[in-house]
Amino acid sequence: ETGVTQSPTHLIKTRGQQVTLRCSSQSGHNTVSWYQQALGQGPQFIFQYYREEENGRGNFPPRFSGLQFPNYSSELNVNALELDDSALYLCASSLAGTRKETQYFGPGTRLLVL
Amino acid sequence: QQQVKQSPQSLIVQKGGISIINCAYENTAFDYFPWYQQFPGKGPALLIAIRPDVSEKKEGRFTISFNKSAKQFSLHIMDSQPGDSATYFCAASIPNTDKLIFGTGTRLQVFP
Repeated sequence: ETGVTQSPTHLIKTRGQQVTLRCSSQSGHNTVSWYQQALGQGPQFIFQYYREEENGRGNFPPRFSGLQFPNYSSELNVNALELDDSALYLCASSLAGTRKETQYFGPGTRLLVL
Repeated sequence: QQQVKQSPQSLIVQKGGISIINCAYENTAFDYFPWYQQFPGKGPALLIAIRPDVSEKKEGRFTISFNKSAKQFSLHIMDSQPGDSATYFCAASIPNTDKLIFGTGTRLQVFP
């Protein structure tokens, strides 16, 4: 059983640029959630994907968007990057349909916006 | 109402001691309360979780105590070890979703 993997591990962008982060869910999991974790803070929910559709969204602007693919992997896209977007971006996978799905987190992608 | 308040912000414990981290919530609809452990440079890892229909859950040295009427829950780490040094997050889940609301974290340091 493979765990949640994310790529890249680190990324440096400049303000105004666009970025795509990738996540492969744990084997057998069909739901992917994305979180933003600023330095010294707890993760903040961005959105969740289930069956290739967005299934819930946190308080993030539309320039944060995502995709889920038929193999349940997922992408997080952020347009018009701002300095405050610098954070650790975490992907978590789970299996919908069980009683309270347990989310398993990947190691994250650390994004620095200059 | 969606917040989860966590304390203390940091905790220093001697090896062999008991580490206690507390969380409080407002939304009585929350139905799942996990604790995550995070080491530097790593993603959070599920440590232990509880549902509101039980008052205590124990797994090895880790115990969750849950007080539904007070809307509080806590993590107890017995016989704390230097390897337990990490940041701990409590969280709560919104019913019928996977959305987790995290606390602000507690940095635990266990000294030999």
